Amino acid sequence: AQSVTQLDSHVSVSEGTPVLLRCNYSSSYSPSLFWYVQHPNKGLQLLLKYTSAATLVKGINGFEAEFKKSETSFHLTKPSAHMSDAAEYFCVVSDNTDKLIFGTGTRLQVFP
Amino acid sequence: DSGVTQTPKHLITATGQRVTLRCSPRSGDLSVYWYQQSLDQGLQFLIQYYNGEERAKGNILERFSAQQFPDLHSELNLSSLELGDSALYFCASSVSSVISGNTIYFGEGSWLTVV
Repeated sequence: AQSVTQLDSHVSVSEGTPVLLRCNYSSSYSPSLFWYVQHPNKGLQLLLKYTSAATLVKGINGFEAEFKKSETSFHLTKPSAHMSDAAEYFCVVSDNTDKLIFGTGTRLQVFP
Repeated sequence: DSGVTQTPKHLITATGQRVTLRCSPRSGDLSVYWYQQSLDQGLQFLIQYYNGEERAKGNILERFSAQQFPDLHSELNLSSLELGDSALYFCASSVSSVISGNTIYFGEGSWLTVV
């Protein structure tokens, strides 16, 4: 069965410093992987997706993620955090019945 | 704005009652998904419809049911409500019935509080 593990429930960074949100996945076949962001009292917005094309995926708002099959990882990064990046981030994998399996989320705090 | 519209945004109801949540997918999208987000269970897939037909079922309780109408909007019916049903219910839509290579867009959710 497919699953994702988000290794940190909370991450705190200062504005202007790099962001790293870690995600490991488990899949018996080549997965589709996604990162979604949820701002307070808002819906889920797709940041980026990997679907077996380029392993380095660029998303919106300066975020990117690298698919590493050997490490079964799909970590989300951003070179410089902005206050508006404070939100909950979900790593997601699609399973073999085309359902989205969500991780438990990582809450990103950005301090001025 | 994702283009997926959900109503109502907030709903407070009593235990034992029944509610209906409504979702209008993005224009042109044939698939509708329902997800539940609660503090203890996280985000869980409930059910998917594609062009009016049920396509996939997840952790949906028997007290819950859904349907997709000919105009492609969908409704999630929750009955015999319990306190534990309090959650944020998301609707999502996509063009295709499969996820691979596809983008799934989420609405802003319907907050259900059962008292």
